[in-house]
Amino acid sequence: DGGITQSPKYLFRKEGQNVTLSCEQNLNHDAMYWYRQDPGQGLRLIYYSQIVNDFQKGDIAEGYSVSREKKESFPLTVTSAQKNPTAFYLCASSIHRSLGAFFGQGTRLTVV
Amino acid sequence: EDQVTQSPEALRLQEGESSSLNCSYTVSGLRGLFWYRQDPGKGPEFLFTLYSAGEEKEKERLKATLTKKESFLHITAPKPEDSATYLCAVQANAGGTSYGKLTFGQGTILTVHP
Repeated sequence: DGGITQSPKYLFRKEGQNVTLSCEQNLNHDAMYWYRQDPGQGLRLIYYSQIVNDFQKGDIAEGYSVSREKKESFPLTVTSAQKNPTAFYLCASSIHRSLGAFFGQGTRLTVV
Repeated sequence: EDQVTQSPEALRLQEGESSSLNCSYTVSGLRGLFWYRQDPGKGPEFLFTLYSAGEEKEKERLKATLTKKESFLHITAPKPEDSATYLCAVQANAGGTSYGKLTFGQGTILTVHP
């Protein structure tokens, strides 16, 4: 089945540690996105990538980093510089940047 | 700056009681407006895309409509399984650094009681 796979579903991190969230898609989509969702707020864009080896900052990129070495993969690293990392993180992809996106099932990150 | 506002924040309905959710938007040239359904702890599920004023899309008990300033998601005779958060998002026309970016509203939490 084609789709977007995020792992892990739940992640716990100690303060001061970096952590990487995985996102893989087998839909042959060109564009991939990372969003953050906090309670009572809409989704906010962290980073997006239109093609391999290229990505752009979204609205809240500070404290995050990404890479796009393969079309299928777009991992997100939450660094220790992110002041409030506890949130629900959603990865998405779209066949073209002009169309709507399809989402993975999310990773809930908790800082302990 | 693109903005999306959804109302109400929460809506409680009895089974069979039809209603509408609102999505008001401002965008520098609309490429598309999207509706998603999100269940607790899961990723948003794509429902509809609307591209131009006057367009309508239907799926089971849901019908989405679009004007130049807002979109409505009409729910006819809802069932408890329709309970979820409904998200609206807009995508601006090509050009600039926001190309391809979706701007989301905060969502409407719908609860349908049996």
